[in-house]
Amino acid sequence: DTAVSQTPKYLVTQMGNDKSIKCEQNLGHDTMYWYKQDSKKFLKIMFSYNNKELIINETVPNRFSPKSPDKAHLNLHINSLELGDSAVYFCASSQGPLYGYTFGSGTRLTVV
Amino acid sequence: EDQVTQSPEALRLQEGESSSLNCSYTVSGLRGLFWYRQDPGKGPEFLFTLYSAGEEKEKERLKATLTKKESFLHITAPKPEDSATYLCAVLNQAGTALIFGKGTTLSVSS
Repeated sequence: DTAVSQTPKYLVTQMGNDKSIKCEQNLGHDTMYWYKQDSKKFLKIMFSYNNKELIINETVPNRFSPKSPDKAHLNLHINSLELGDSAVYFCASSQGPLYGYTFGSGTRLTVV
Repeated sequence: EDQVTQSPEALRLQEGESSSLNCSYTVSGLRGLFWYRQDPGKGPEFLFTLYSAGEEKEKERLKATLTKKESFLHITAPKPEDSATYLCAVLNQAGTALIFGKGTTLSVSS
């Protein structure tokens, strides 16, 4: 029973398209996150939600919009995709800031 | 600015050859330092949290230690299955997210 699940695992799309990545956690955690891992494997925080409320919105283009319908779900919508958006996107959840995160298996987005 | 620097970027060991990975950090008022393991094609997997200088934690062949400026992940008698990228992270000053280093990719050959 997967703790943090992301769909899809792979996403190949053309420039200019709009796409969504879904994330669900069954751990009962209050906080969820989106991280971007670039080609050099560097993980960078994008968004943090606590109980459906946006906590962090790092310097991310406004083409990226997170949506949290409930505290178990945090989806990522990306409009007008660009080549530079190609990366692996990870969803994570935690009980709180001092606890370890549980990561999903990632979504590899390729924009062509 | 909160920052995490890991060294070396890559480390190749023979099975049984012990070594250490380094993680240095700059954050005002450290509230937590985290170690993760990441296998290819998978998400990072939590290993340890260290909260204060002098603290140590162990798990199988791994031992993490913390000083006021850096953390070490000691690997004793590694096996090929220990091959992975090891990531270090600190809680940012605002306490709202983890800031990761770029990782150390460890390869252990038999």
